[in-house]
Amino acid sequence: KAGVTQTPRYLIKTRGQQVTLSCSPISGHRSVSWYQQTPGQGLQFLFEYFSETQRNKGNFPGRFSGRQFSNSRSEMNVSTLELGDSALYLCASSLGAAGTMNTEAFFGQGTRLTVV
Amino acid sequence: AQSVTQLGSHVSVSEGALVLLRCNYSSSVPPYLFWYVQYPNQGLQLLLKYTSAATLVKGINGFEAEFKKSETSFHLTKPSAHMSDAAEYFCAVRGSVSGGYNKLIFGAGTRLAVHP
Repeated sequence: KAGVTQTPRYLIKTRGQQVTLSCSPISGHRSVSWYQQTPGQGLQFLFEYFSETQRNKGNFPGRFSGRQFSNSRSEMNVSTLELGDSALYLCASSLGAAGTMNTEAFFGQGTRLTVV
Repeated sequence: AQSVTQLGSHVSVSEGALVLLRCNYSSSVPPYLFWYVQYPNQGLQLLLKYTSAATLVKGINGFEAEFKKSETSFHLTKPSAHMSDAAEYFCAVRGSVSGGYNKLIFGAGTRLAVHP
């Protein structure tokens, strides 16, 4: 069974640009969550999508957005990049349906975004 | 609201020694708890999970954790450390139903060093 695939693995962008990251979940998983990992703030929840709907959102500015497609693949977008957006962005895939809280989330290898 | 505290940002042990990584949680509902490991430039890999079936949970790579409700703890242990265990370890709790149950709340992480 293929794991969670995130593309690209590495990105370098200039301040003010925008960026789109992609995540393909495990087949059959309908929930995709995004996390930002930085040395200073650790792992922080960005948002979660389930069946093409945003179900939860973390405490991030509106420059961070996402979407999910009918095949459960998800993208996140960051507009007007700032230096502080440099981070490892992780995507997690899980079954996500009610009653599956005891199941785990599987993580991709992440996209390392560097803003210069 | 749920939260997780990992005591000790850095732990150093000798090869063959006991590994003990500490995690305390706060949760208003019975928690679902997880330990993840992260190797450099990689995503998160699940070590084990607690889902109320048993208080002593065995995971991969010889790790186990014991859920102690009275102490609100979920410490990770391994009887004998290997060099390959050197990595960063994260304890996480799943969010509540009202707060977003498919969201993971992570501790700050503990970096484990293993020396010969």
